[in-house]
Formats: sequence, structure tokens, C-alpha cells
Amino acid sequence: GAVVSQHPSWVICKSGTSVKIECRSLDFQATTMFWYRQFPKQSLMLMATSNEGSKATYEQGVEKDKFLINHASLTLSTLTVTSAHPEDSSFYICSASELGQRIQYFGAGTRLSVL
Amino acid sequence: AQSVTQPDIHITVSEGASLELRCNYSYGATPYLFWYVQSPGQGLQLLLKYFSGDTLVQGIKGFEAEFKRSQSSFNLRKPSVHWSDAAEYFCAVGDTGNQFYFGTGTSLTVIP
Repeated sequence: GAVVSQHPSWVICKSGTSVKIECRSLDFQATTMFWYRQFPKQSLMLMATSNEGSKATYEQGVEKDKFLINHASLTLSTLTVTSAHPEDSSFYICSASELGQRIQYFGAGTRLSVL
Repeated sequence: AQSVTQPDIHITVSEGASLELRCNYSYGATPYLFWYVQSPGQGLQLLLKYFSGDTLVQGIKGFEAEFKRSQSSFNLRKPSVHWSDAAEYFCAVGDTGNQFYFGTGTSLTVIP
């Protein structure tokens, strides 16, 4: 149980284009989803927290107009990187938790490469 | 402020040897503590967690961790390491809002 699917696992795009990453909870209702960014050999940096049906809460320094997060259902959240630039290249990981549960279950991550 | 410290950036052990990964946290209330493992290019897999009760918790893959409130520590242990245990290990503390604070990770290398 508690499986989180993240898609795509790897994406390459041209500078200036937008990329959407999906995060799905397969066997539980994810009332809260989290989006992280991880640089090579570093820890996870929380970008934003989203609750189903509400606007995401972004961490300080994260551009909400650049990283659009939607959590329209209890099983799906999406992160859209708009007008991507090479500095946005990174490993993005989502996680999900169920109401009242204090565990986050993580997706396998998405490697974004912006050319 | 909440924080997690993993003092060891990189550890190398021989296969079959015992392992201990250190984790210290700073948190004002009763912490929710976690250990996750990450293989290269992958997401994080939950190894074990501590919420309350018995301070020695058992996890998957033969791992265990001990919560020591007096030392603000939650060290991860395994009596006999396997080559497949080579990975990055993250300690995390969760707050009441379910936000996690991660340590910087410990990279484990296992030599035959």
C-alpha cells in the first residue's frame, strides 16, 4: 500500500517551454501533497505544500508564477514549470500524505533537463 | 527552529559489518522522526518511523533506530550490511503540520 506514482521520470525540454509533472497517489487519498527539489548530492528542499482543493503554499524564495501547482483531486497533484530555463534543471520529487497520517510517501522523482 | 543534523556525509563499511548512521535533531515538542533511503535517481523509501512509545523501533530491510530524547538523537543501525544497502540515507523530523525537515543525508558505500 501507500504507493505514489510520479510521471514522467525524465524529461528534456527546450528553454522557454513549459513542463508538467504529475504526482498520483494510487491506493490512498492524498489530502496533502508536497513538492521538493533536490540538487545533486544535496538534501531535499521543500518548494510548496498543497492541500486538495486549495491553493498551494509556497516556501520563501520559490516563484509561484514559475512553479504552478495544482491539487484538484485527492489523488492527483501537478507541478508545471513555466518558461523553463537551464537553471531549472533539477530533480523534482513529490510526496503525499493522508489526512491524519504523519507519514509522507514519496514518488520516484522526475529528472528535468532544460536545454 | 526545527533542524536535523547528519554529521557523517559519507560512510564506507565492509559487507557484513555493522552500521550506525547518526542523526541529531532540534525540535521544541515531541518529534515525529523518520529515516528514509534513496537509491540513485530514485525517490525516498521509508525505512522506519518513531512517533511515541518504545524508543527502539524496527524497520524494513533489517534496520532499527533508537530514539534518545536526552541526546536529541535518532541513530539508524543495522547489524550486518549487505551490498544492496549502498544508498543515500536521510533522517527527517516532522512537525505538527506534517512538514518535514530533512538532514543533508549520509551516503553509504559498501565494499565487498
